[in-house]
Amino acid sequence: DADVTQTPRNRITKTGKRIMLECSQTKGHDRMYWYRQDPGLGLQLIYYSFDVKDINKGEISDGYSVSRQAQAKFSLSLESAIPNQTALYFCATSSGNEQYFGPGTRLTVT
Amino acid sequence: GQSLEQPSEVTAVEGAIVQINCTYQTSGFYGLSWYQQHDGGAPTFLSYNALDGLEETGRFSSFLSRSDSYGYLLLQELQMKDSASYFCAVRTDSWGKLQFGAGTQVVVTP
Repeated sequence: DADVTQTPRNRITKTGKRIMLECSQTKGHDRMYWYRQDPGLGLQLIYYSFDVKDINKGEISDGYSVSRQAQAKFSLSLESAIPNQTALYFCATSSGNEQYFGPGTRLTVT
Repeated sequence: GQSLEQPSEVTAVEGAIVQINCTYQTSGFYGLSWYQQHDGGAPTFLSYNALDGLEETGRFSSFLSRSDSYGYLLLQELQMKDSASYFCAVRTDSWGKLQFGAGTQVVVTP
C-alpha cells in the first residue's frame, strides 16, 4: 500500500462549489503539507502542519482552508472554487530532510 | 524577494552527462534538495545538501556552494527513463519547509 494517499485523484467541479481534498499517510510523520502545481511552475506551498494542533499558512493560502483531523489525516478545502484554482494538488509528509508526496489530485474548476 | 532560478529545459542524448544549475535567494537557508517528477507523477526525493561540496548517489550527484548561493544536479550515463522534470528546493527553516524552483525538463533522446 502507498505511504501517502490522496482522494479523489481527479475532480471536476463548478465555480462556487465547496470541495474537499483528502490526504492520509501511514508513515507516522508529524509534518504534513499541501502544495499546488500549475503547468510550468514549481510547487507552491498552500498550508502546512507540524502536528495535530499546529496549522500554518503557506505562500498561497487565500481561498483555501485545512483541517488536521489526526496525525495521519490532513484535508484541504476550497470554500468557493474558482477557475484559477484549476491545478494539480499534492499532499506531502516529512520527518527530516526528505518529503514524501502523494500521487496528486487533478482539480478542474469550470 | 525570494527566488530560485534553474533552466527551463535541457536536451541530451542517452549516455551523456547533464548538469542542472540552481541559484537561489531566500530568507532562510538550511539546505538544498533535488526532486524528480515524471509527467503527471508525484515528485520523488533525489538528494539533500546542507554543507558545501559534492554528494554522489549512483549516477546522480548534487553539489552545493553556500557562499555562491548555488548548487547543481549532475546526471551521468543518461538513460531514457531519466526524462523528467527536476526541481531544486531550498529548505528555509528548521521545520523542513521547502521553497521550490520552477523546474527543469530534461529530455533524453536516443
